[in-house]
Amino acid sequence: RKEVEQDPGPFNVPEGATVAFNCTYSNSASQSFFWYRQDCRKEPKLLMSVYSSGNEDGRFTAQLNRASQYISLLIRDSKLSDSATYLCVVNFNTDKLIFGTGTRLQVFP
Amino acid sequence: GAVVSQHPSRVICKSGTSVKIECRSLDFQATTMFWYRQFPKQSLMLMATSNEGSKATYEQGVEKDKFLINHASLTLSTLTVTSAHPEDSSFYICSARAGSVTEQYFGPGTRLTVT
Repeated sequence: RKEVEQDPGPFNVPEGATVAFNCTYSNSASQSFFWYRQDCRKEPKLLMSVYSSGNEDGRFTAQLNRASQYISLLIRDSKLSDSATYLCVVNFNTDKLIFGTGTRLQVFP
Repeated sequence: GAVVSQHPSRVICKSGTSVKIECRSLDFQATTMFWYRQFPKQSLMLMATSNEGSKATYEQGVEKDKFLINHASLTLSTLTVTSAHPEDSSFYICSARAGSVTEQYFGPGTRLTVT
């Protein structure tokens, strides 16, 4: 089983739609959780950290369920510029980030 | 925000030659730098972790004699791919971290093509 699993997609949604991505992780001792965004042939950029209480940043909402070892990202009112690959990232200790393979989102007009 | 640069952004080399990639933290001191590799349609895979002034820690399956890492200062780490082969063609990305914080700042990556 992969340490971090994501649905690869692609998710094709119209502008204005709401879309949700899910991610599961295998190590129950995981400490920190993140969503990164990666555009084609570019480096990943931190979108948001994920906290146990859930957190929101504008149109983006992240949730963490430690009991189920599950993380989600919700994007409301999708924009064309949201098209990218979204990487679920888990930190098992202070050094190592484990990346999922990413979920590709394509927003169309 | 913290900025990390990489050089070169793209390199093409012949099989058997060596290639050096530089990773610099421009506006902060990076006590730890990480080197990742990403093949097409795959996730980033950590190759090694380097702390300034000490030897790098390599992940399982990564040959330390082939991928030489030097982290001689708090703002510079280098990765040298020795005797490169076509299967080493990949996207190499570094990241840097200041102190004990978890967040890593990524460089723009280096696309290596070995012919």
